[in-house]
Amino acid sequence: AQSVAQPEDQVNVAEGNPLTVKCTYSVSGNPYLFWYVQYPNRGLQFLLKYITGDNLVKGSYGFEAEFNKSQTSFHLKKPSALVSDSALYFCAVRDMENDYKLSFGAGTTVTVRA
Amino acid sequence: GAVVSQHPSWVICKSGTSVKIECRSLDFQATTMFWYRQFPKQSLMLMATSNEGSKATYEQGVEKDKFLINHASLTLSTLTVTSAHPEDSSFYICSARYRADIQYFGAGTRLSVL
Repeated sequence: AQSVAQPEDQVNVAEGNPLTVKCTYSVSGNPYLFWYVQYPNRGLQFLLKYITGDNLVKGSYGFEAEFNKSQTSFHLKKPSALVSDSALYFCAVRDMENDYKLSFGAGTTVTVRA
Repeated sequence: GAVVSQHPSWVICKSGTSVKIECRSLDFQATTMFWYRQFPKQSLMLMATSNEGSKATYEQGVEKDKFLINHASLTLSTLTVTSAHPEDSSFYICSARYRADIQYFGAGTRLSVL
């Protein structure tokens, strides 16, 4: 079965500092990985995905993620965080055995202080 | 990105009544939609996969007679919570599969059962 883990419940950074949200995955084949962001009382917004190709994936709102096969990681990064980036972030993996289903991590709450 | 509309955003109902939640893909056709449930500060739990023109596929432990799903067209799926009880109070989120890889999410529905 496919799964992802987000080892940090919370990440706190100062505005302007780099932001990293960690995600590791476990899959039985090639991973299809995603990052989503959720603002309070809202649905999830798609940030980026990794299917194949370059290990560094660029997404929305200045976010990027680095796929590392040897470390089975897919960490989300932003060079300079904004207060408006404060939200709940989910890493997800597509279940290749049950097509198109997503398995989500537990989520990481990001707080960016001014 | 593709737009998914979910309605209503908030509903309060009496115990024993039924509530219908709509999920619409506004600018694309979605043969597959998904329904999730999210508890406070927790990840998304997949309830069922909704396929246009066929019966929904429910995840283990989800009562199909309680959570009725209908996907009557390529742009609309509905979730009906029948005979709702306070323990059904939750945040329900739908998503629609866009192309092969990405799920786009609705804004969610907060259900409060009194």
